[in-house]
Amino acid sequence: RKEVEQDPGPFNVPEGATVAFNCTYSNSASQSFFWYRQDCRKEPKLLMSVYSSGNEDGRFTAQLNRASQYISLLIRDSKLSDSATYLCVVSVDSSYKLIFGSGTRLLVRP
Amino acid sequence: GAGVSQSPSNKVTEKGKDVELRCDPISGHTALYWYRQSLGQGLEFLIYFQGNSAPDKSGLPSDRFSAERTGGSVSTLTIQRTQQEDSAVYLCASSLRSSGTMETQYFGPGTRLLVL
Repeated sequence: RKEVEQDPGPFNVPEGATVAFNCTYSNSASQSFFWYRQDCRKEPKLLMSVYSSGNEDGRFTAQLNRASQYISLLIRDSKLSDSATYLCVVSVDSSYKLIFGSGTRLLVRP
Repeated sequence: GAGVSQSPSNKVTEKGKDVELRCDPISGHTALYWYRQSLGQGLEFLIYFQGNSAPDKSGLPSDRFSAERTGGSVSTLTIQRTQQEDSAVYLCASSLRSSGTMETQYFGPGTRLLVL
C-alpha cells in the first residue's frame, strides 16, 4: 500500500465548477500536510499547507481529518489556469522528508 | 530573486555510462534535497543534506547512486553505470534550514534523464 494515495483522475470540469480532491495517508505519525501543484513538465510548487482546523486561501479550501487519515482540497469557481496536477504531501514528525502522492490531474475546460 | 537551478535540463545517455546532475540551491538555504519522479509516479525522496553532511541517504535506490555537497551550496548527484530504469526526472529542492520544524521546500525545474 502506498503511503499517500490519491485518485489519479483526470477530473474534467467546466469553468466555474467546484471540484474536490481527496487523499489518504497510511502513517498515523504524520504531522505536516500540504497540497502542491505541478504543471506539465514543471516543478512542484507549494499551493497551501493544511492545518487541523482547516484553512482557506481564496478559492481553495483544505481540510484534514486525522481520525480518518484523510486530506481534501476544494477548488471553487474553477479557472482554466487551475488545470494542473495536484499533489498531496505529508511529512512524518514534521521532519524534512516529504512523502508525495502520485497526484490528481485536473482539466478545466472552457 | 534566483530560485533553485539545475543542470543539465535534459540528459540522454547510453546504458552503462555515468552521469552527473547538478543543483544550485537558493542562496542562504542550508538544507538541500534530491527527489526522483518517474513517469506517472509521485516524487520519491533520495537524499537530504544539512550543510555539507547527508544525515539521511535512505532513499538512494542502489550503491550506483551517490551525492555530495560542497561549500554548503552546490550539490552533485552522480549515477554510475546507468540503467534504463534510472530514466526519470531528478528534482532538487532547498529550504532555509531544517531544525525539526517543517520548512517550505522550493523545487528546481529538474533534470530529465533518459537512459537508452
